[in-house]
Amino acid sequence: AQSVTQLGSHVSVSEGALVLLRCNYSSSVPPYLFWYVQYPNQGLQLLLKYTSAATLVKGINGFEAEFKKSETSFHLTKPSAHMSDAAEYFCAVSDRTRTSYGKLTFGQGTILTVHP
Amino acid sequence: NAGVTQTPKFRVLKTGQSMTLLCAQDMNHEYMYWYRQDPGMGLRLIHYSVGEGTTAKGEVPDGYNVSRLKKQNFLLGLESAAPSQTSVYFCASTLATYNEQFFGPGTRLTVL
Repeated sequence: AQSVTQLGSHVSVSEGALVLLRCNYSSSVPPYLFWYVQYPNQGLQLLLKYTSAATLVKGINGFEAEFKKSETSFHLTKPSAHMSDAAEYFCAVSDRTRTSYGKLTFGQGTILTVHP
Repeated sequence: NAGVTQTPKFRVLKTGQSMTLLCAQDMNHEYMYWYRQDPGMGLRLIHYSVGEGTTAKGEVPDGYNVSRLKKQNFLLGLESAAPSQTSVYFCASTLATYNEQFFGPGTRLTVL
């Protein structure tokens, strides 16, 4: 079974600083990889996804993530944090097999706090 | 388009009571999912459906039942609620398995 590990349940940065949220997956075959963001009392919104081809994926709101097969990682970054980035971020994976039916396995989430 | 909607938004139950959560999507998606979100545990899949009339168990199905009689609706039922089912429940749908899932706003359920 797939598993996803997000290192650090809480990350705190200053406004304008680099944001780095870590995600590692366990699979011998690279899965589909997703980053979702959840603002307080809302549902999840897709930031970006990796399905194939380009290993550097650009998403919304200036976020990007790099797929590294050798490290089984898909870390999320943003060069300069904004106050509006404060939210909880989830990394999720889905097997590429037809019978996975798109089921997502989520990491435990990372709460990002941005200080003025 | 409304996207994915969930009814109700909040609910408080007593132990042993039953209820049904409704999820509706207007995007003609084949695949629908129910997740529960608990602090520090991310989201976990309860049940899912790959099309009208189909349902299957996810990671944490015990104590829940589902039905998908119409393509646009996916119902989650609790026959005898327990305090361990206190959680936030999210419904999601997608057109294809490699696509993003679209999430509803969630239902916050408290079981006393």
